[in-house]
Amino acid sequence: DTGVSQNPRHKITKRGQNVTFRCDPISEHNRLYWYRQTLGQGPEFLTYFQNEAQLEKSRLLSDRFSAERPKGSFSTLEIQRTEQGDSAMYLCASSLEVYEQYFGPGTRLTVT
Amino acid sequence: SQQGEEDPQALSIQEGENATMNCSYKTSINNLQWYRQNSGRGLVHLILIRSNEREKHSGRLRVTLDTSKKSSSLLITASRAADTASYFCAVKRSGGSNYKLTFGKGTLLTVNP
Repeated sequence: DTGVSQNPRHKITKRGQNVTFRCDPISEHNRLYWYRQTLGQGPEFLTYFQNEAQLEKSRLLSDRFSAERPKGSFSTLEIQRTEQGDSAMYLCASSLEVYEQYFGPGTRLTVT
Repeated sequence: SQQGEEDPQALSIQEGENATMNCSYKTSINNLQWYRQNSGRGLVHLILIRSNEREKHSGRLRVTLDTSKKSSSLLITASRAADTASYFCAVKRSGGSNYKLTFGKGTLLTVNP
């Protein structure tokens, strides 16, 4: 499968716990994006990597959120001290330069 | 903040009919893209139209772009039950921050068999 993959697909956690999601982009894509989508809304931009450099973080990304892309390959998104408001679908996308973004299946987070 | 605004929010049609969804946006754009999302799944890229293009076709899809009105439409012809999904427009702004997509809230299309 040469598409974008995300793991896990579903995560249920208790409030206050830390969670980490992983995204594996299409192999030749140098750009990687994280978006968040809540029920009934379109995806909202969270952060963007060009190779291993994180070039922009949305105001939606509080200090509890951190994203990395070591070696410019896969990326991880960590949420510390989760809150119920963090419940959402977390989508990862990748692109080759500024061309079309290809999305993964998403990780659905439920914070109880 | 969400930039694209899709209209209508929900659309229900019979199989074989055409479906038209509209999108309006606010800023100057580099391109506009349409995505489909089946319930609880990731987004599938459908079509991209650049700011200097007015119309584009891909199979049963036809997209138009009117930059003077800051609007776009997506037409699905001869709809099928499998077309049931949410459809989102997303704009890529021109100038700074021209790498991220700004999505609308989507149109939920239901195609009844």
